[in-house]
Amino acid sequence: AQRVTQPEKLLSVFKGAPVELKCNYSYSGSPELFWYVQYSRQRLQLLLRHISRESIKGFTADLNKGETSFHLKKPFAQEEDSAMYYCALSPSGGYQKVTFGIGTKLQVIP
Amino acid sequence: NAGVTQTPKFQVLKTGQSMTLQCAQDMNHNSMYWYRQDPGMGLRLIYYSASEGTTDKGEVPNGYNVSRLNKREFSLRLESAAPSQTSVYFCASSERNRPQVLHFGNGTRLTVT
Repeated sequence: AQRVTQPEKLLSVFKGAPVELKCNYSYSGSPELFWYVQYSRQRLQLLLRHISRESIKGFTADLNKGETSFHLKKPFAQEEDSAMYYCALSPSGGYQKVTFGIGTKLQVIP
Repeated sequence: NAGVTQTPKFQVLKTGQSMTLQCAQDMNHNSMYWYRQDPGMGLRLIYYSASEGTTDKGEVPNGYNVSRLNKREFSLRLESAAPSQTSVYFCASSERNRPQVLHFGNGTRLTVT
């Protein structure tokens, strides 16, 4: 069974401070990991995926297979980063279902 | 391109009533999904349709039925609504080559009293 754990329901940081949203997963095979974001009054959308190895809106995430983690990081938080963030997992290859974590609400304090 | 469109946006039902949530996508995606979002539980998959003509149960299918009417449309039906089905429902779609990249609708907020 695949599972995604986001230990923090709410994370509050000051503007300009570093941000780290934690995500741990359990899956016996080779997973693909994603971060989805939902800004206020907007639809849920893909932020980044680990295989792309890209930085989106200043956010990065590294897949650590040893620690089974996929933490989302940003060096300097901005007010517009305030949103709900969901970590998600899918088995790699072909059609597979996506499993989401419970989400972490990021609140950036001005 | 509207993407994924869900109707209605809000709905209040009484226990035992039935209703259908509509979802349509205009991106020519093969796969479509219904998720429910509850506080403290994240998004949970109700049903999905890998391709036109097929549907499968997800994590929490009880109390729901689905119809993949054609490639564009995927509806979710509550035959006899219960208060436990109070939730925000999201429809999503994905393309054949990137099935794990989901495109979501704006959601339907359903309250069952």
